[in-house]
Amino acid sequence: DARVTQTPRHKVTEMGQEVTMRCQPILGHNTVFWYRQTMMQGLELLAYFRNRAPLDDSGMPKDRFSAEMPDATLATLKIQPSEPRDSAVYFCASGLAAGQLQETQYFGPGTRLLVL
Amino acid sequence: DQQVKQNSPSLSVQEGRISILNCDYTNSMFDYFLWYKKYPAEGPTFLISISSIKDKNEDGRFTVFLNKSAKHLSLHIVPSQPGDSAVYFCAASGIHNFNKFYFGSGTKLNVKP
Repeated sequence: DARVTQTPRHKVTEMGQEVTMRCQPILGHNTVFWYRQTMMQGLELLAYFRNRAPLDDSGMPKDRFSAEMPDATLATLKIQPSEPRDSAVYFCASGLAAGQLQETQYFGPGTRLLVL
Repeated sequence: DQQVKQNSPSLSVQEGRISILNCDYTNSMFDYFLWYKKYPAEGPTFLISISSIKDKNEDGRFTVFLNKSAKHLSLHIVPSQPGDSAVYFCAASGIHNFNKFYFGSGTKLNVKP
């Protein structure tokens, strides 16, 4: 049963600390997405990759957020320094894109982040 | 600037009746639409999709309707079951950027036994 996995599931940290969230996409998928869910905005796309290359990170605060794919089995989202307004649930999703077709995205369980 | 909007944050329906969840979009370049379902403490899961070449797609108890001229889509669940209680997100993508899904803010459905 192929699934997207995310670690940690929960993170409580203090303002100013670095936070790293990890995602293992489904094997064989070539697109990876990072979303943030807040009460006010719903699901916001932060960044996405295709074949490990970043295609769009326009939704991400550049000064403190960074997203990378060191290899095909790992995607990371880092916040440094973290702020209380970053408190949210962060979802990773993966999918398979071929040519002009993007299949559906499969979501991980999320990382619930609380910055005090 | 939200390009996909779900104006009803919540909906309550009696078991066995129809649930209708609505979604509006502003970008006429969107040509593929999806509905996701999310339970607490889990990630969203894909439910049903529709391409702009169709105006209806059905899968069991779930039917999605697309009205392109009104830039509106809806999800019908018939009959509704208590297990359908969840948050439902609609999403859209377009030929200008088929990788990128724009999500609405979600509608929380409560199906009462």
